[in-house]
Amino acid sequence: AQSVAQPEDQVNVAEGNPLTVKCTYSVSGNPYLFWYVQYPNRGLQFLLKYITGDNLVKGSYGFEAEFNKSQTSFHLKKPSALVSDSALYFCAVRDLSGGYNKLIFGAGTRLAVHP
Amino acid sequence: DTAVSQTPKYLVTQMGNDKSIKCEQNLGHDTMYWYKQDSKKFLKIMFSYNNKELIINETVPNRFSPKSPDKAHLNLHINSLELGDSAVYFCASSPRINPSDPGRDFGQGTRLTVV
Repeated sequence: AQSVAQPEDQVNVAEGNPLTVKCTYSVSGNPYLFWYVQYPNRGLQFLLKYITGDNLVKGSYGFEAEFNKSQTSFHLKKPSALVSDSALYFCAVRDLSGGYNKLIFGAGTRLAVHP
Repeated sequence: DTAVSQTPKYLVTQMGNDKSIKCEQNLGHDTMYWYKQDSKKFLKIMFSYNNKELIINETVPNRFSPKSPDKAHLNLHINSLELGDSAVYFCASSPRINPSDPGRDFGQGTRLTVV
């Protein structure tokens, strides 16, 4: 079965510092990996995805993610954090069981960026 | 224009009541989903419809009944509401023919509180 794990419940970072939100995956076959963000009292917003190609994927709001096959990881990164980046971040993997698409989400990581 | 819209945004109701949440997408997608986010923020798929046909039905109590009158709408009806049904319910859609987008577009969520 496909799964993703987000080992950190919360990540704290100072504004202006680089941030990393970790995600590891377990899949059979080629992984399709995604990052979503949920701002307080808001819906889910798509950030970026990895399907194939370059291991470094660029997404919305200055975020990027690095796909590492040997470490089965897909960590979310940003060179310089903003206070407005504070939110809940979800890593997800596509599951094609039964021949139909669905997303399997990680437990989420709360990012807190301090001024 | 809102791509995936859910109504209502908030719903507070008493135990035992029956309630419905509506979802509409104007993206021309073939596939629609319902995801549930529990109090610990964990997201899990509940149902998926493709062209009005139920294709994914995870382990969900049969008090929950999805209904898709057409491929642009997927409503969720819940009978005999219980306290444990309190959660945020997200609707999502994806183009069936594009396997790299298994629910990229999410609604804003419906926060259901059962008292």
